[in-house]
Amino acid sequence: GDSVTQMEGPVTLSEEAFLTINCTYTATGYPSLFWYVQYPGEGLQLLLKATKADDKGSNKGFEATYRKETTSFHLEKGSVQVSDSAVYFCALSDLGGGADGLTFGKGTHLIIQP
Amino acid sequence: NAGVTQTPKFRVLKTGQSMTLLCAQDMNHEYMYWYRQDPGMGLRLIHYSVGEGTTAKGEVPDGYNVSRLKKQNFLLGLESAAPSQTSVYFCASKDRAVSGELFFGEGSRLTVL
Repeated sequence: GDSVTQMEGPVTLSEEAFLTINCTYTATGYPSLFWYVQYPGEGLQLLLKATKADDKGSNKGFEATYRKETTSFHLEKGSVQVSDSAVYFCALSDLGGGADGLTFGKGTHLIIQP
Repeated sequence: NAGVTQTPKFRVLKTGQSMTLLCAQDMNHEYMYWYRQDPGMGLRLIHYSVGEGTTAKGEVPDGYNVSRLKKQNFLLGLESAAPSQTSVYFCASKDRAVSGELFFGEGSRLTVL
């Protein structure tokens, strides 16, 4: 079945540091890929997405590129802020928005220190 | 904008008790989902629905039942709660035409003693 693997953390960085959170996936077919973010005490919200190979999703300074050859979708940000502290989930949808929802990774807890 | 609303937000149960979690969405979405979130496990799909009157099993359906009598509501029931069902439960909804963009509620934290 489909699966998503990501570093679990916690990942602790200083403010203004460069961020990379690795995500790799296993899927049949051609999945769409997503990053969701969960701030403390809240539900998940979509951060960015990419629907085909070589697409780059971006939002709020975060970027991720869909790499089919390495089955990866790593999340990056050039300069993190304390407000970026959250749990980040990589996910895939393999049925073009199909009804069975998303397959999530286990989440990466990011802590940004001032 | 209310979006997806879950009630209750917190609940403590004793083993064997029953309860229902209510999810309501005001975005006219066709698809709705219930997930559970556990430390080190990420989110796992319990049940989902593709429309009013329809439900289907997800990855971890045992011990739960669901109903979707109205398009805007999706209920998750525990008939006989067990400590293994201690978790944070999230409801989500999705527009049928948009790939992967789920809208989540704020979660319901359930503790079973």
